[in-house]
Amino acid sequence: GENVEQHPSTLSVQEGDSAVIKCTYSDSASNYFPWYKQELGKRPQLIIDIRSNVGEKKDQRIAVTLNKTAKHFSLHITETQPEDSAVYFCAASISPLNKLIFGAGTRLAVHP
Amino acid sequence: KAGVTQTPRYLIKTRGQQVTLSCSPISGHRSVSWYQQTPGQGLQFLFEYFSETQRNKGNFPGRFSGRQFSNSRSEMNVSTLELGDSALYLCASSRTGGSDEKLFFGSGTQLSVL
Repeated sequence: GENVEQHPSTLSVQEGDSAVIKCTYSDSASNYFPWYKQELGKRPQLIIDIRSNVGEKKDQRIAVTLNKTAKHFSLHITETQPEDSAVYFCAASISPLNKLIFGAGTRLAVHP
Repeated sequence: KAGVTQTPRYLIKTRGQQVTLSCSPISGHRSVSWYQQTPGQGLQFLFEYFSETQRNKGNFPGRFSGRQFSNSRSEMNVSTLELGDSALYLCASSRTGGSDEKLFFGSGTQLSVL
């Protein structure tokens, strides 16, 4: 069935380092890949997304890359800051069911 | 513009009881999706409603049901509660529910089943 695998489940970095979270998906028809950030006790919020017609997208310190052939996409955070500490969820669209399947999440801790 | 509102914020129930959760979407949003969040399992899709009709359903037992009203507000019901139903239940709204639309999440209802 439809599946999105996300790694690692936890990630600990020093402030200023880079962080990379990777996801793989199973549905070759998936064409939309968002990333949501959930800070402790708060609701998930969209931070960046990418569609299948591009390979990379950047927004300040965050970037997402997509490899459709290998069916995986990654979130890159550079110059991490303590406020980046949160759980990050990747997701992939499932066609033609018109829904998103989420990964299990990555808990990122940025230490000062 | 008010965000997605979920009530109640916390619920404590015992096994065998039933529970109803409520979600009010952003004004103008007609699609409401429900997710179950548990540690290590991420966001598990329950179902999605659009214009009072269930369009999509995840792999949950029939004890989990929902509905949507004409004002787009949605309710989720869980009958015959089990200990494993303890979780944070999140709803999310979007304009039309397209799989490539941004989802706006509520703060969730934390359900504890004792």
